[in-house]
Amino acid sequence: DIQMTQSPSSLSASVGDRVTITCRASQRISNYLAWYQQKPGKVPKLLIYAASTLQSGVPSRFSGSGSGTDFTLTISSLQPEDVATYYCQKYNSAPFTFGGGTKVEIK
Amino acid sequence: QVQLVESGGGVVQPGRSLRLSCAASGFTFSTYALHWVRQAPGKGLEWVAVISYDGSNKFHTDSVKGRFTISRDNSKSTLYLQMNSLRAEDTAVYYCATKSRPDHDAFDIWGQGTMVTVSS
Repeated sequence: DIQMTQSPSSLSASVGDRVTITCRASQRISNYLAWYQQKPGKVPKLLIYAASTLQSGVPSRFSGSGSGTDFTLTISSLQPEDVATYYCQKYNSAPFTFGGGTKVEIK
Repeated sequence: QVQLVESGGGVVQPGRSLRLSCAASGFTFSTYALHWVRQAPGKGLEWVAVISYDGSNKFHTDSVKGRFTISRDNSKSTLYLQMNSLRAEDTAVYYCATKSRPDHDAFDIWGQGTMVTVSS
């Protein structure tokens, strides 16, 4: 099975900072990669699908890139409401594995 | 309004069984595959199982194979997860999830989750 590895596992940044989270697949998955945001005590929310397509209603400060095995989620200007854990997920075929998550906090 | 509502969670002893349900409304239930995802307390998301739109294909993650079974009843717009031989490590919030559009297979619809606690 394909493994999804996220890094870092946590980060602390200041409001307005540019934040980058990486996700690596153990085999090529084309662009079948999604990013989710989960705020404390809340249900996961889809941010990006097809590696770089922003889900409707998601702020434009979020962006995704990559293809094959290496992917990136970028928050261009971190806001207080972005405090959350972010997960990548492969969805090309079962198992639809999630990455381990990246917890983002405000410094 | 597109909605998934899970039910059936609770406290159960190790080795016992539980069946979760996920009732759908606001979209054509029989169109898309459906998934179960779980999250142990303080841990990350773990994909559990998927069932095709018509129930003909199913896939379960290795840790639940032979113990859990995903199924669906399109006439009732309901997804199920039969969980047998439960273990302490199955303790988690269980979410059902699916997609709302044909151009991708990411999960843009989630239920609110139902908590399963396996404890003696």
